[in-house]
Amino acid sequence: DVKVTQSSRYLVKRTGEKVFLECVQDMDHENMFWYRQDPGLGLRLIYFSYDVKMKEKGDIPEGYSVSREKKERFSLILESASTNQTSMYLCASSLGGPGTVQNIQYFGAGTRLSVL
Amino acid sequence: GQNIDQPTEMTATEGAIVQINCTYQTSGFNGLFWYQQHAGEAPTFLSYNVLDGLEEKGRFSSFLSRSKGYSYLLLKELQMKDSASYLCAVCRGSNYQLIWGAGTKLIIKP
Repeated sequence: DVKVTQSSRYLVKRTGEKVFLECVQDMDHENMFWYRQDPGLGLRLIYFSYDVKMKEKGDIPEGYSVSREKKERFSLILESASTNQTSMYLCASSLGGPGTVQNIQYFGAGTRLSVL
Repeated sequence: GQNIDQPTEMTATEGAIVQINCTYQTSGFNGLFWYQQHAGEAPTFLSYNVLDGLEEKGRFSSFLSRSKGYSYLLLKELQMKDSASYLCAVCRGSNYQLIWGAGTKLIIKP
Protein backbone atom coordinates (compact mmCIF):
# COMPACT_ATOMS: atom_id res chain seq x y z
CA ASP A 1 0.00 0.00 0.00
CA VAL A 2 1.09 3.53 -0.73
CA LYS A 3 1.80 5.46 2.39
CA VAL A 4 1.98 9.25 2.57
CA THR A 5 2.81 10.53 6.03
CA GLN A 6 2.40 14.07 7.24
CA SER A 7 4.33 15.00 10.33
CA SER A 8 1.49 16.58 12.32
CA ARG A 9 -2.30 16.18 12.39
CA TYR A 10 -2.92 19.40 14.29
CA LEU A 11 -0.74 22.47 14.63
CA VAL A 12 -1.31 25.81 16.34
CA LYS A 13 1.02 28.69 15.51
CA ARG A 14 1.16 32.42 16.10
CA THR A 15 1.07 35.12 13.45
CA GLY A 16 4.55 35.79 12.08
CA GLU A 17 6.00 32.40 13.00
CA LYS A 18 7.84 30.31 10.44
CA VAL A 19 6.01 27.02 9.96
CA PHE A 20 7.30 23.78 8.46
CA LEU A 21 4.95 21.05 7.26
CA GLU A 22 6.65 17.79 6.38
CA CYS A 23 5.48 15.05 4.05
CA VAL A 24 7.09 11.69 3.34
CA GLN A 25 6.02 9.01 0.84
CA ASP A 26 7.35 5.48 0.72
CA MET A 27 6.47 4.42 -2.85
CA ASP A 28 9.27 6.03 -4.84
CA HIS A 29 6.78 8.39 -6.50
CA GLU A 30 8.11 11.05 -8.83
CA ASN A 31 5.49 13.71 -8.16
CA MET A 32 4.51 15.34 -4.90
CA PHE A 33 1.92 18.02 -4.21
CA TRP A 34 0.81 20.39 -1.50
CA TYR A 35 -2.82 21.50 -1.33
CA ARG A 36 -4.94 23.46 1.04
CA GLN A 37 -8.59 22.65 1.57
CA ASP A 38 -11.13 25.15 2.87
CA PRO A 39 -14.90 24.70 3.35
CA GLY A 40 -16.86 25.26 0.15
CA LEU A 41 -13.74 25.36 -1.99
CA GLY A 42 -12.08 22.56 -3.87
CA LEU A 43 -8.57 21.43 -3.19
CA ARG A 44 -6.28 24.26 -4.23
CA LEU A 45 -2.77 23.50 -5.37
CA ILE A 46 -0.04 25.46 -3.64
CA TYR A 47 3.10 23.88 -5.12
CA PHE A 48 4.10 20.65 -6.76
CA SER A 49 7.34 18.89 -7.57
CA TYR A 50 8.01 16.39 -10.34
CA ASP A 51 11.57 15.59 -9.37
CA VAL A 52 14.13 16.14 -6.66
CA LYS A 53 15.05 19.81 -6.31
CA MET A 54 12.37 20.72 -8.88
CA LYS A 55 9.30 22.74 -7.96
CA GLU A 56 6.46 24.43 -9.78
CA LYS A 57 4.00 27.00 -8.50
CA GLY A 58 0.40 25.96 -8.29
CA ASP A 59 -2.63 28.21 -8.17
CA ILE A 60 -1.99 29.87 -4.79
CA PRO A 61 1.77 29.95 -4.04
CA GLU A 62 1.84 33.37 -2.37
CA GLY A 63 3.08 33.20 1.20
CA TYR A 64 4.45 29.67 0.79
CA SER A 65 7.65 28.02 -0.32
CA VAL A 66 8.67 24.37 -0.69
CA SER A 67 11.72 22.17 -0.51
CA ARG A 68 12.41 18.77 -2.04
CA GLU A 69 15.94 17.69 -1.23
CA LYS A 70 15.14 13.97 -1.33
CA LYS A 71 12.71 12.09 -3.54
CA GLU A 72 10.59 10.85 -0.65
CA ARG A 73 10.25 14.14 1.22
CA PHE A 74 8.43 17.34 0.29
CA SER A 75 8.25 20.19 2.76
CA LEU A 76 5.90 23.16 2.79
CA ILE A 77 7.14 26.33 4.47
CA LEU A 78 5.09 29.28 5.63
CA GLU A 79 7.71 32.01 5.91
CA SER A 80 5.60 34.24 8.15
CA ALA A 81 2.31 32.66 9.10
CA SER A 82 -0.83 34.76 8.84
CA THR A 83 -4.38 34.12 10.05
CA ASN A 84 -5.62 33.64 6.48
CA GLN A 85 -3.36 30.60 6.24
CA THR A 86 -5.48 28.77 8.79
CA SER A 87 -6.59 25.73 6.83
CA MET A 88 -6.32 21.98 6.25
CA TYR A 89 -3.11 21.17 4.38
CA LEU A 90 -2.93 17.98 2.35
CA CYS A 91 0.12 16.39 0.82
CA ALA A 92 -0.18 13.95 -2.09
CA SER A 93 2.08 11.92 -4.33
CA SER A 94 1.74 10.19 -7.69
CA LEU A 95 3.91 7.93 -9.76
CA GLY A 96 3.59 10.07 -12.89
CA GLY A 97 2.32 9.85 -16.44
CA PRO A 98 -0.55 12.20 -17.26
CA GLY A 99 -3.45 10.44 -18.90
CA THR A 100 -2.80 7.15 -17.18
CA VAL A 101 -3.69 5.53 -13.89
CA GLN A 102 -0.17 6.36 -12.79
CA ASN A 103 -1.49 9.86 -12.28
CA ILE A 104 -3.61 8.75 -9.32
CA GLN A 105 -2.73 10.92 -6.36
CA TYR A 106 -2.41 9.38 -2.91
CA PHE A 107 -2.97 11.63 0.06
CA GLY A 108 -1.61 11.97 3.55
CA ALA A 109 -3.99 12.34 6.50
CA GLY A 110 -3.71 16.13 6.45
CA THR A 111 -2.48 18.79 8.86
CA ARG A 112 -5.04 21.13 10.35
CA LEU A 113 -3.16 24.38 10.94
CA SER A 114 -4.53 27.18 13.07
CA VAL A 115 -2.74 30.53 13.02
CA LEU A 116 -3.68 32.77 15.93
CA GLY B 1 -11.14 29.02 -18.34
CA GLN B 2 -11.08 25.87 -16.30
CA ASN B 3 -13.99 24.95 -14.09
CA ILE B 4 -15.54 21.93 -12.43
CA ASP B 5 -19.10 21.91 -11.12
CA GLN B 6 -20.78 19.41 -8.84
CA PRO B 7 -23.76 19.70 -6.51
CA THR B 8 -22.92 20.90 -3.02
CA GLU B 9 -25.00 18.38 -1.13
CA MET B 10 -27.24 15.37 -1.80
CA THR B 11 -29.35 13.17 0.44
CA ALA B 12 -30.25 9.55 -0.20
CA THR B 13 -31.70 6.58 1.65
CA GLU B 14 -29.85 3.51 2.81
CA GLY B 15 -30.16 0.72 0.23
CA ALA B 16 -31.03 3.09 -2.61
CA ILE B 17 -29.05 4.32 -5.63
CA VAL B 18 -27.62 7.81 -6.04
CA GLN B 19 -25.95 9.55 -8.99
CA ILE B 20 -23.52 12.40 -8.40
CA ASN B 21 -22.88 14.55 -11.47
CA CYS B 22 -19.79 16.48 -12.44
CA THR B 23 -19.42 18.86 -15.37
CA TYR B 24 -16.14 20.34 -16.41
CA GLN B 25 -14.59 22.85 -18.77
CA THR B 26 -10.88 22.51 -19.32
CA SER B 27 -8.35 22.63 -22.08
CA GLY B 28 -6.37 19.52 -22.80
CA PHE B 29 -8.48 16.96 -20.96
CA ASN B 30 -6.45 13.96 -19.89
CA GLY B 31 -8.59 11.91 -17.53
CA LEU B 32 -11.15 12.31 -14.76
CA PHE B 33 -10.91 11.03 -11.21
CA TRP B 34 -13.41 10.46 -8.42
CA TYR B 35 -12.32 10.48 -4.81
CA GLN B 36 -14.16 9.82 -1.55
CA GLN B 37 -13.41 11.91 1.52
CA HIS B 38 -14.85 11.17 4.95
CA ALA B 39 -15.05 14.09 7.34
CA GLY B 40 -11.65 14.91 8.81
CA GLU B 41 -9.86 12.36 6.66
CA ALA B 42 -7.80 12.37 3.48
CA PRO B 43 -9.36 11.84 0.04
CA THR B 44 -9.11 8.27 -1.22
CA PHE B 45 -9.16 7.22 -4.87
CA LEU B 46 -12.36 5.64 -6.21
CA SER B 47 -12.24 5.62 -10.00
CA TYR B 48 -10.55 6.88 -13.14
CA ASN B 49 -12.01 7.50 -16.62
CA VAL B 50 -10.08 8.62 -19.65
CA LEU B 51 -12.26 7.14 -22.42
CA ASP B 52 -16.02 7.56 -22.89
CA GLY B 53 -18.20 5.03 -21.21
CA LEU B 54 -18.89 3.33 -17.94
CA GLU B 55 -16.34 1.89 -15.53
CA GLU B 56 -17.81 -0.46 -12.93
CA LYS B 57 -16.15 -1.37 -9.66
CA GLY B 58 -18.38 -3.22 -7.24
CA ARG B 59 -21.12 -0.95 -5.89
CA PHE B 60 -19.54 2.10 -7.53
CA SER B 61 -19.57 2.99 -11.24
CA SER B 62 -18.28 6.06 -13.04
CA PHE B 63 -19.32 7.35 -16.44
CA LEU B 64 -17.61 9.81 -18.77
CA SER B 65 -18.70 11.73 -21.86
CA ARG B 66 -15.80 13.81 -23.14
CA SER B 67 -17.86 15.54 -25.83
CA LYS B 68 -20.30 16.80 -23.18
CA GLY B 69 -17.71 17.52 -20.51
CA TYR B 70 -19.72 15.36 -18.15
CA SER B 71 -19.19 12.55 -15.68
CA TYR B 72 -21.21 10.88 -12.99
CA LEU B 73 -20.50 8.60 -10.07
CA LEU B 74 -23.19 6.01 -9.40
CA LEU B 75 -23.42 4.43 -5.97
CA LYS B 76 -25.67 1.39 -5.55
CA GLU B 77 -27.00 -0.36 -2.45
CA LEU B 78 -26.11 2.62 -0.33
CA GLN B 79 -24.70 1.98 3.12
CA MET B 80 -24.40 4.39 6.04
CA LYS B 81 -20.61 4.33 5.64
CA ASP B 82 -21.04 5.92 2.18
CA SER B 83 -21.84 9.21 3.92
CA ALA B 84 -18.90 11.32 2.78
CA SER B 85 -17.88 13.99 0.32
CA TYR B 86 -17.23 12.92 -3.26
CA LEU B 87 -14.66 14.90 -5.20
CA CYS B 88 -14.40 15.11 -8.97
CA ALA B 89 -11.00 16.02 -10.43
CA VAL B 90 -9.79 16.50 -13.98
CA CYS B 91 -6.26 16.04 -15.27
CA ARG B 92 -5.40 18.92 -17.53
CA GLY B 93 -3.03 18.72 -20.42
CA SER B 94 0.36 17.14 -20.32
CA ASN B 95 1.31 18.04 -16.77
CA TYR B 96 0.52 16.22 -13.58
CA GLN B 97 -1.89 18.68 -12.07
CA LEU B 98 -5.50 17.92 -11.23
CA ILE B 99 -8.25 20.52 -11.15
CA TRP B 100 -10.66 19.76 -8.31
CA GLY B 101 -14.34 20.36 -7.86
CA ALA B 102 -15.54 21.61 -4.47
CA GLY B 103 -17.02 18.20 -3.68
CA THR B 104 -20.51 16.82 -3.10
CA LYS B 105 -21.48 16.03 0.46
CA LEU B 106 -23.61 12.88 0.44
CA ILE B 107 -25.87 12.27 3.42
CA ILE B 108 -27.32 8.79 3.84
CA LYS B 109 -30.47 8.43 5.91
CA PRO B 110 -31.77 5.17 7.37
